[in-house]
Amino acid sequence: DIQMTQSPSTLSASVGDRVTITCRASQSISSWLAWYQQKPGKAPSLLIYKASSLESGVPSRFSGSGSGTEFTLTISSLQPDDFATYYCQQYNGYSTWTFGQGTKVEIK
Amino acid sequence: EVQLLESGGGLVQPGESLRLSCAASGFTFSSYSMTWVRQAPGKGLEWVSVISGGSKSTYYADSVKGRFTISRDNSRNTLYLQMNSLRAEDTALYYCAKLRPGNSPFDYWGQGTLVTVSS
Repeated sequence: DIQMTQSPSTLSASVGDRVTITCRASQSISSWLAWYQQKPGKAPSLLIYKASSLESGVPSRFSGSGSGTEFTLTISSLQPDDFATYYCQQYNGYSTWTFGQGTKVEIK
Repeated sequence: EVQLLESGGGLVQPGESLRLSCAASGFTFSSYSMTWVRQAPGKGLEWVSVISGGSKSTYYADSVKGRFTISRDNSRNTLYLQMNSLRAEDTALYYCAKLRPGNSPFDYWGQGTLVTVSS
């Protein structure tokens, strides 16, 4: 099975900071990677798919990059609404979908 | 507007069964694969199972294989998860979600239904 490892687990940042979260796959997943945002008490919402495609309605300060086994989610200028937990997910087409363990973005 | 509404959660004892439902609206239900994802209290997301639009294909996480069964009724626009032989470690908020055609992430999610397995 493909394992997904995110880093860091927790990130403390201030409004306006540039934030980067890394996700590594245990084997190549091409660009079949998504990023989700989850706020407390809410369902996750899709931010990025196919590693770098921005989901409709998601602010342009969010961006994704990478391919193969290493991926990043970048928030160019952190806003108050962005404090949340972020998950990566691989969907490589082998009939399993795997999430990373999550990265909590906290207020510094 | 896509809407997914889960129901059927509750408190059960270890070894018992429960069936979750997810009522879908706002899209052509039969055209899309659907999935269940769970989240234990204070923990991360775990994919559970997926079913294709016509029910031809189903897949399960190893942690639930042989105990859970995913199904759907396209005439009722409803997704199901039959959970048997429940264990304490199955305690979680269970979300249903929709996939896009082809190789896909989960683009719409319900708000979840809580399953608690405890004696």
